[in-house]
Amino acid sequence: DAGVTQSPTHLIKTRGQQVTLRCSPKSGHDTVSWYQQALGQGPQFIFQYYEEEERQRGNFPDRFSGHQFPNYSSELNVNALLLGDSALYLCASSLAPGHNTEAFFGQGTRLTVV
Amino acid sequence: KNEVEQSPQNLTAQEGEFITINCSYSVGISALHWLQQHPGGGIVSLFMLSSGKKKHGRLIATINIQEKHSSLHITASHPRDSAVYICAVTRGSNYKLTFGKGTLLTVNP
Repeated sequence: DAGVTQSPTHLIKTRGQQVTLRCSPKSGHDTVSWYQQALGQGPQFIFQYYEEEERQRGNFPDRFSGHQFPNYSSELNVNALLLGDSALYLCASSLAPGHNTEAFFGQGTRLTVV
Repeated sequence: KNEVEQSPQNLTAQEGEFITINCSYSVGISALHWLQQHPGGGIVSLFMLSSGKKKHGRLIATINIQEKHSSLHITASHPRDSAVYICAVTRGSNYKLTFGKGTLLTVNP
């Protein structure tokens, strides 16, 4: 059983560029959440997708957007990259909101903005 | 003040020692999670609990809902236990995780 998979694992972008990160949830999970983890900090919630809609959003600007596909996989898009967007981006999958299940995380995508 | 506070931030132990990491939270929660993160980033779930105590191998997690406090214990610590241990909580019916900053544990042989 494949767990949560994320791609790419590492990425270097230039300020002002756009980036797309991808996540495939654990088999049987239909909800995907994205987190940003700056160096030395705990992860911060970006947003959550369920039934192809954004259900919750953290305190992140509109430059951060996402999408969920019918197969439950998800993308995180960041426009107009800033140096401060450099971080580890984590995807977590779960069952539908309202189900308290253990968290399953991908290995993350390390984004460096130069 | 963060909703989830962990202590200590850094912890160094000798192999075989008993280790305790603490987590306090300031809001009502539906569940508390203990997670492990190794260098390179991947996060692994250790426990999810909403009351009482859970044990898995050498790891024990406890929670006191009234005091809004949880502890993660590692018995007979080993260098392979070296990692960042993170406490996170979920509230209500959603699955948004609110994380503490983590505790960096180093176990020396």
